[in-house]
Parts: sequence; C-alpha cells; structure tokens
Amino acid sequence: SQELEQSPQSLIVQEGKNLTINCTSSKTLYGLYWYKQKYGEGLIFLMMLQKGGEEKSHEKITAKLDEKKQQSSLHITASQPSHAGIYLCGADPLQGAQKLVFGQGTRLTINP
Amino acid sequence: GAVVSQHPSRVICKSGTSVKIECRSLDFQATTMFWYRQFPKQSLMLMATSNEGSKATYEQGVEKDKFLINHASLTLSTLTVTSAHPEDSSFYICSAPGVVGVGHTEAFFGQGTRLTVV
Repeated sequence: SQELEQSPQSLIVQEGKNLTINCTSSKTLYGLYWYKQKYGEGLIFLMMLQKGGEEKSHEKITAKLDEKKQQSSLHITASQPSHAGIYLCGADPLQGAQKLVFGQGTRLTINP
Repeated sequence: GAVVSQHPSRVICKSGTSVKIECRSLDFQATTMFWYRQFPKQSLMLMATSNEGSKATYEQGVEKDKFLINHASLTLSTLTVTSAHPEDSSFYICSAPGVVGVGHTEAFFGQGTRLTVV
C-alpha cells in the first residue's frame, strides 16, 4: 500500500518568512494533491500535480513534483497569518479513483 | 466549482445512541463517495467507499455493522454511527470524486462533522 510521509510535522515561522513542507511517497505518485485544513474543518484544495517535474503556483504558494514522482514540496513565500493551518498531501493510488491516502499533516503556525 | 455539503457540522450525542451524517453533492452526481475519519492531531484515514445502488466497501479494521453507509441516490450518501461510544468521537468527512476524463480534477470534500459522544 502507498504511504506518505510529511515533514516537518509542525512548523512555526515568523510572519514574512519563507517555508517549505515536504511529502515523500513509498511508491510512484500518479496524482499528488495538496490540501489545507483548519483544525476540525473541511479541506481546501490547493493544487494537484501529475507529471514529473511539474510545478504549479497560486498566489504565494508553489508546489513541485520531482522527476521521479515520489517527492513533492510545498513552498510558501512571505508567509502571512492566513497561511496558518494544517497542510496535507494526498495520493491517489488507484490512479483516477480519487480515493486518497493522506500524509500525517504539517501543522503550520505563523507568528506575527 | 462542485460543492459537497455535509450535515451536521457538529453533533453531541449520548453513548449508546445512533447518529446520522449526510453528504450531498449539490450540483453534480456522485455514484461514489468516500468517508474518512480524523482523530485529533492525526491525518485523515479512509473508512469506506459508498457506492450508489450497491453495498459500501469498507477498509480493513472498520466495522461495517457499526458504521452503516447508505448511498440512496446519485447525490446523497449517509453514514450512521450506531450505538456510539466515546471512542467514536472524531471528525468525519466525506468526499466525492471530481470529473474524470478530460483532465483530472480534485476530489471535493464536505465541511466535515465533529462527533462527540458523551
């Protein structure tokens, strides 16, 4: 079965600083999803990556998938308090079913 | 974009009672929906796959008699936690697959339900 390992598990950064969250898969990724969650609330879709070497950006968030399709990173530039939350990477082992396996999450705190 | 509505968002029930959680696809049809559970400070774990017109399929270790799933129509799936106990207290969230075919869109998640059993 596919497993995802996220690092770090928690992260505290000063407002305005950049940060990176990593997601490593035990198997080749078909589709890699990044979601943001405020604790106890629903998931906000950020980005989905499929192709090796693919990179997508939305506002100050950039996600990349490595060429081997086993690692992804999420980079936030000039962090803001609104970026605080739990970031989850999810994989689609059945290649299109969207029955996702998630990493354990990274809890991001932004200090003013 | 597509919307999945989950209700209720919070529920507190007494131990031994049953609780029903609804998940609706508002502007699209979903023949399949997924139910996940999230314990505090842990990630989402898939519980079961809800299939319209057929029985749900459960992940290993999930009691099908305790977590009853009914996919009554193409827009509604329900999860009933029967004879709830405090250890069932958790965050439950549903999702429906996005459009497959042209491109590959994301799964759409409901808002989640926080269940507290007292």
